[in-house]
Amino acid sequence: ETGVTQTPRHLVMGMTNKKSLKCEQHLGHNAMYWYKQSAKKPLELMFVYNFKEQTENNSVPSRFSPECPNSSHLFLHLHTLQPEDSALYLCASSQEGSGRGEQYFGPGTRLTVT
Amino acid sequence: EDQVTQSPEALRLQEGESSSLNCSYTVSGLRGLFWYRQDPGKGPEFLFTLYSAGEEKEKERLKATLTKKESFLHITAPKPEDSATYLCAVQETSGSRLTFGEGTQLTVNP
Repeated sequence: ETGVTQTPRHLVMGMTNKKSLKCEQHLGHNAMYWYKQSAKKPLELMFVYNFKEQTENNSVPSRFSPECPNSSHLFLHLHTLQPEDSALYLCASSQEGSGRGEQYFGPGTRLTVT
Repeated sequence: EDQVTQSPEALRLQEGESSSLNCSYTVSGLRGLFWYRQDPGKGPEFLFTLYSAGEEKEKERLKATLTKKESFLHITAPKPEDSATYLCAVQETSGSRLTFGEGTQLTVNP
C-alpha cells in the first residue's frame, strides 16, 4: 500500500447505527486530519492530530468521535448520525515541522445516512 | 478569519484553448498556498505549494503564480484529461489547518 488509504470506500448507515471509518498513511508523516466534503461546499476541517495528540476540534458534534492510536492510523467513530451528515469524509496526512505544509489525501469514504 | 474565493465556479474550454483560474485569499500570515486537483469520487491530489509573492511553479500544462492577494492557475493548451475540479487552499503561519475555496470545475471538450 502506498500513500493514504481509507476504508470502507462507501458506507450506508441508519440513524441509529454505530460504524467506524479507518484511515492509514504509509508516508511516515506525523500529523493526520479528518475533513468533511459536502456538495457545493468547501472542504471543512474536522479534527487534527499531531504525534497522536488531538490539537484541533473544529466544533464538531459529539456524534463524531476520532481516535488516533499511533501516527499511522486514524479512526472516525460514528453514532446516531443525521441525514445531513451524508458526505464524503476525507483523511489526510502531513509532515509537520518539515517546513512543507502540503497535506496528502486519501480517496475518501462516501457516507450516506438513511 | 482566513477566506479563500475561487473563480469562476465552472469553466468550459475547447481542447487547446488556454485559460486561467483565480484564487483570491485573505490570511493574517501566509505559510503557503496550495493547489489541488480533484476527480469525481476521489480525494484531492496535491499539485503545487507557493510560499511567497512572485513565486511560480510549473507541472506539464499547469503553471501556478502567487501575489500578495491572489493566485492564478494557468492552463496552457489543455487536454480532456485535464478536466477536474481544481481546489485552492491557504495555510497560516500559526498552524497546520488548510482553508479551502469552493473550487473551479474545469471541463475540456475534445
